[in-house]
Amino acid sequence: DGGITQSPKYLFRKEGQNVTLSCEQNLNHDAMYWYRQDPGQGLRLIYYSQIVNDFQKGDIAEGYSVSREKKESFPLTVTSAQKNPTAFYLCASSTWDRRNEQFFGPGTRLTVL
Amino acid sequence: AQSVTQPDIHITVSEGASLELRCNYSYGATPYLFWYVQSPGQGLQLLLKYFSGDTLVQGIKGFEAEFKRSQSSFNLRKPSVHWSDAAEYFCAVGAPQAGTALIFGKGTTLSVSS
Repeated sequence: DGGITQSPKYLFRKEGQNVTLSCEQNLNHDAMYWYRQDPGQGLRLIYYSQIVNDFQKGDIAEGYSVSREKKESFPLTVTSAQKNPTAFYLCASSTWDRRNEQFFGPGTRLTVL
Repeated sequence: AQSVTQPDIHITVSEGASLELRCNYSYGATPYLFWYVQSPGQGLQLLLKYFSGDTLVQGIKGFEAEFKRSQSSFNLRKPSVHWSDAAEYFCAVGAPQAGTALIFGKGTTLSVSS
């Protein structure tokens, strides 16, 4: 079955540590996205990528970094510069055309201890 | 600037009653419109979408939504709510040009009472 996988489902991090969240898709989608979700805040866009080796900052990119070395993969690194990283992180993908319907992974819950 | 407003943060509906969740958008042209649903701790699932044509669109799980250009609205409806519909619902707007990401509302949490 085609879909998006995120791992791990739960992640714990000590303050000052970098951590990388995995996102893989086998839908052959060109575009991939990372969102952060906090209670009452909806989804806020962190980064997105239209094609391999290219990505753009979203609304809340500070303290995060991404790479897009393969079409299927779009890992997100939460760095120690992110002051409040505890949140639910969602990865999505879509075709890069006008219809832009996004498909979502199951999410990773990151908790900073 | 483009924006999406979901005026109701939390709604409680009795099982079997009808449901309407509101969504208003601010955009210079007719955007593409989506409704997603999220169960606790899960990802988002697409309920329905509007690109053009018939302004009443049907989705999965018995949901429908109506696009009203004059009101800049895309409200989600269901004639009879089931307990399993309890979840968070997000309205999203996409620009009708390639190269832009979706803009999401802050969501409406639906509780279903028996």
